[in-house]
Amino acid sequence: EAQVTQNPRYLITVTGKKLTVTCSQNMNHEYMSWYRQDPGLGLRQIYYSMNVEVTDKGDVPEGYKVSRKEKRNFPLILESPSPNQTSLYFCASSFLVRGRRGDEQFFGPGTRLTVL
Amino acid sequence: GNSVTQMEGPVTLSEEAFLTINCTYTATGYPSLFWYVQYPGEGLQLLLKATKADDKGSNKGFEATYRKETTSFHLEKGSVQVSDSAVYFCALLSGGYNKLIFGAGTRLAVHP
Repeated sequence: EAQVTQNPRYLITVTGKKLTVTCSQNMNHEYMSWYRQDPGLGLRQIYYSMNVEVTDKGDVPEGYKVSRKEKRNFPLILESPSPNQTSLYFCASSFLVRGRRGDEQFFGPGTRLTVL
Repeated sequence: GNSVTQMEGPVTLSEEAFLTINCTYTATGYPSLFWYVQYPGEGLQLLLKATKADDKGSNKGFEATYRKETTSFHLEKGSVQVSDSAVYFCALLSGGYNKLIFGAGTRLAVHP
């Protein structure tokens, strides 16, 4: 089954304790992205990657890191989490074809993070 | 910059009522437009899309028409069901790659 998986689904942590949220896709997609969802703000892009070892900042990258060592995995790293990073996080992936627009992005089930 | 504005929710309807969720956008060029749906406890799923002016996207009884003159992409369904209760996001994709710009989302609650 084609899917994007995220782990953990729920996480409660404390300020300053490093954490990693994993994301994996089995569709051989080049493009992967992380979003955070906050009430009244919709989804905002944190980081994205167009292929292995190619990553770039989205709209709200402060306090986050990512890596893309393998095509299928795109972990989100919070080196020193703070309460304002309490949010619902989604990973997404899609094919990336220059000049072709409107490709569907597939989303993971989400990770609800609470930072105390 | 690019942006998407959706009507605020929640929208509460009785089963079989007509649904409209308004969406307008601001973008340079000719963006592709999407509606995504998020059922409780799940990730987002693509509901429908339109890639050029006057295109109509449709799926599961939902429709939306890309109106360039009014920069709108309103979502409609003629007869909603309880199972349609979810959060609906309008989004646009502009530029060379896959960055989606989302609206704030509209929660729909359908009662029997």
